[in-house]
Amino acid sequence: EIVLTQSPATLSLSPGGRATLSCRASQTISTFLAWYQHKLGQPPRLLIYDASKRATGIPARFSGSGSGTDFTLTISSLEPEDAAIYFCQQRGNWPRYTFGQGTKLEIK
Amino acid sequence: EVQLVESGGDLVKPGGSLRLSCAASGFVFSSYSMNWVRQAPGKGLEWVSFISSRRDRSSSIYYADSVKGRFTISRDNARNSLFLQMDSLRVEDTAVYYCARDRGGAADGTDLWGRGTLVTVSS
Repeated sequence: EIVLTQSPATLSLSPGGRATLSCRASQTISTFLAWYQHKLGQPPRLLIYDASKRATGIPARFSGSGSGTDFTLTISSLEPEDAAIYFCQQRGNWPRYTFGQGTKLEIK
Repeated sequence: EVQLVESGGDLVKPGGSLRLSCAASGFVFSSYSMNWVRQAPGKGLEWVSFISSRRDRSSSIYYADSVKGRFTISRDNARNSLFLQMDSLRVEDTAVYYCARDRGGAADGTDLWGRGTLVTVSS
């Protein structure tokens, strides 16, 4: 099983700031990684797929990068509504996905 | 409106059974592969099962090791519905269960999720 490790567990930043979230895979997965935003009481929302491609309707301040085992989600110009838990999902072993444990982003 | 709506979650005793349903609307359900994904209290997301679209000659089905032999995924394209039959339930199966649409392939994403249905396994 491919294990994904996300860091940090929690991130507290101010509006207008820049968030950098990390996801590391236990083995190489090329660019087969997706990122999701999950708010309490709402369904998860696809942000990024294939490591760097933005999903439909996702603002340009969300960007993804990386390949192999190390991936990053960057959120620039943070807004209060960006407060959520962010999960990465490996698709290298599609369709046997695994998810990271999540990074909680707080906007203060 | 494009959406997925899960139902069927309940409180059940260990060893019991439950059948979850997911109603799809607003898109051509038969053209998409589908998943069940769950989230236990205070935990991250865990993929449970996958069923391929009608485009395949026969649906390909996969399960997580944690549910293999106990859960059965199925779909009824005529009713735009996805199902998860859960047997021999365990306390550790307690979770919110999400129905999720897959755009297909490794280089893509799970682009539509329902709001989830809560399954609680407890004596």
